[in-house]
Amino acid sequence: RKEVEQDPGPFNVPEGATVAFNCTYSNSASQSFFWYRQDCRKEPKLLMSVYSSGNEDGRFTAQLNRASQYISLLIRDSKLSDSATYLCVGHTGGFKTIFGAGTRLFVKA
Amino acid sequence: SQTIHQWPATLVQPVGSPLSLECTVEGTSNPNLYWYRQAAGRGLQLLFYSVGIGQISSEVPQNLSASRPQDRQFILSSKKLLLSDSGFYLCAWTLDSRSGYTFGSGTRLTVV
Repeated sequence: RKEVEQDPGPFNVPEGATVAFNCTYSNSASQSFFWYRQDCRKEPKLLMSVYSSGNEDGRFTAQLNRASQYISLLIRDSKLSDSATYLCVGHTGGFKTIFGAGTRLFVKA
Repeated sequence: SQTIHQWPATLVQPVGSPLSLECTVEGTSNPNLYWYRQAAGRGLQLLFYSVGIGQISSEVPQNLSASRPQDRQFILSSKKLLLSDSGFYLCAWTLDSRSGYTFGSGTRLTVV
């Protein structure tokens, strides 16, 4: 089983839609989590950190469910510019961080 | 502010040739440094990480090596490239992994 698993998608949604991605992790010792956004042929960029109670940033909300070992990312009022690959990341407290393979999102007009 | 520089942006190399990719970080001290590789349409594979000068941890046994000759410099090398070494190589840094990583702009390597 992979340490961090994501649905690869793609998710195809119209502008204005709400879309949610889930990510599961296998290491219960994982302490901190992140969502990164990666545009085509570009480097990943940190979108949000997710700690014990989750957090919200504008149209984006990230939640952590430790009991079920998953994190989620909710995007409200999707924009064309939200089209990208979203990477889920888990960190166990050492020097390594495990990246999921990513979920592709296409927002269409 | 902190910045990370990675070069070259694109590289086409023949099989069997050597490789040297360089990454430097500015505006911080004693960062944790990482090399990742991303194959086309795939996730990020951790290759090496370093928590200090001369300290290199390897995650994947292969024909690549890394060095950290200075605090903010991280180099990825190979003596003889294989076709399977093609990919998108990303350098990243962090001071504290709870803060997330900052990536360089990457090097797209094609081995022919």
